[in-house]
Formats: sequence, C-alpha cells, structure tokens
Amino acid sequence: DSGVTQTPKHLITATGQRVTLRCSPRSGDLSVYWYQQSLDQGLQFLIQYYNGEERAKGNILERFSAQQFPDLHSELNLSSLELGDSALYFCASEKGGGGTGELFFGEGSRLTVL
Amino acid sequence: AQRVTQPEKLLSVFKGAPVELKCNYSYSGSPELFWYVQYSRQRLQLLLRHISRESIKGFTADLNKGETSFHLKKPFAQEEDSAMYYCALRSGSARQLTFGSGTQLTVLP
Repeated sequence: DSGVTQTPKHLITATGQRVTLRCSPRSGDLSVYWYQQSLDQGLQFLIQYYNGEERAKGNILERFSAQQFPDLHSELNLSSLELGDSALYFCASEKGGGGTGELFFGEGSRLTVL
Repeated sequence: AQRVTQPEKLLSVFKGAPVELKCNYSYSGSPELFWYVQYSRQRLQLLLRHISRESIKGFTADLNKGETSFHLKKPFAQEEDSAMYYCALRSGSARQLTFGSGTQLTVLP
C-alpha cells in the first residue's frame, strides 16, 4: 500500500503519560499535516511540515510537538496526557506545500486516555 | 480568522430525492473551498474543489461569495452517497485546510 500509513491504529494509555504517533506519507509527498478529531468535533488542524521544516501551526497545545524526518515520515508527540486528549489523530500528506489542496489521509490513530 | 460552518450534523433523505449539504465560511481573503467525503470504512478523500467547477458522482458545489456559502448539491441521491461530508477552506500563508464539523448524510431506500 503506497498510501499514507499511521501507527499505531489504537492506543490506550493513562493520564500523565506520553505517546508518539507515527505517519508515513505517500511516496513523493513532501507535506505532512496532523489533524485532531475529538468527539463531536470536526478536524482540528494541528501542524504542517514541508520537506522537514515546520510550515504552519494550528491549535496545537504546548504539550504536543511534532517533527518530520529526512525520510519524510513524521511523528506527533503527545505528553502529560489528559482525558481530553482522547481523540482520533489523522495524518495527511500532499505532494507540494499547498498546491492542489488534495490531501491524502491516513486511517488515523485512535488515542484513548484513561 | 477563518471558519467553516456546517449547520447540519445529520441529514437524511430518500433515494431519488434532491440533497443539499450546507457550508458557510468566514474568511477575509479570496477563498478556496473543497468538499471531502468519508464513506464507511474508508479514508477521508477529496470529492471536489470549487476551482475545478466539476461534477463528481453527480455532486456539484457553487461558490457564492455574496452569501459566503459553498453548498453541495445532488439532484437525485443514491444509497451509496451515504457518508460523512466535510467542507474545507484553504487559507493562510501555508495554505492549510480548515474543516467544518461535518454532516452525516444518510440516503434511505
């Protein structure tokens, strides 16, 4: 499958813990976006990377951080987790840095904080 | 700040009936708008974009700058249209997408 892959698919952890979500973009895509989808909420933009550099920041908490590596995969780090961080986290990739507007989404990582 | 509003969380129509999914936006610049769709057990994917002025799977959407709307329409709904639909606005220097909260469309037999 040459689409966007996200791991893990499901993750259950406790408050105060730290987790890392991983995303591999489509082959050749330079941009990676992270979105959070909480219950009854739309997709909230967190952060965008383009070719290893941070391009834009949305409503990302200071407890959250991300990076994009030279091989273009990206990781989203969530620390000091709270109950309200329970959500579906989506990664999406795009060929350029805002070209066609067609984002290719992964299946998401479902985080449950107990 | 930019905002996308989809006032209907849920929408049900009968097969063969017309369907309109509403989307309103707030943005001071020149908007670029999109509709994304997520079918059951599939990934979120692009349905159409306003600049293409295309019809995809019978759906069309017209940008109305006066009413700041980008409603999605289809004259005759099909059961396979049942899905979650998201309206999105591209803005900002990095041109990231801002999504609405989505409308779950159910087409009844």
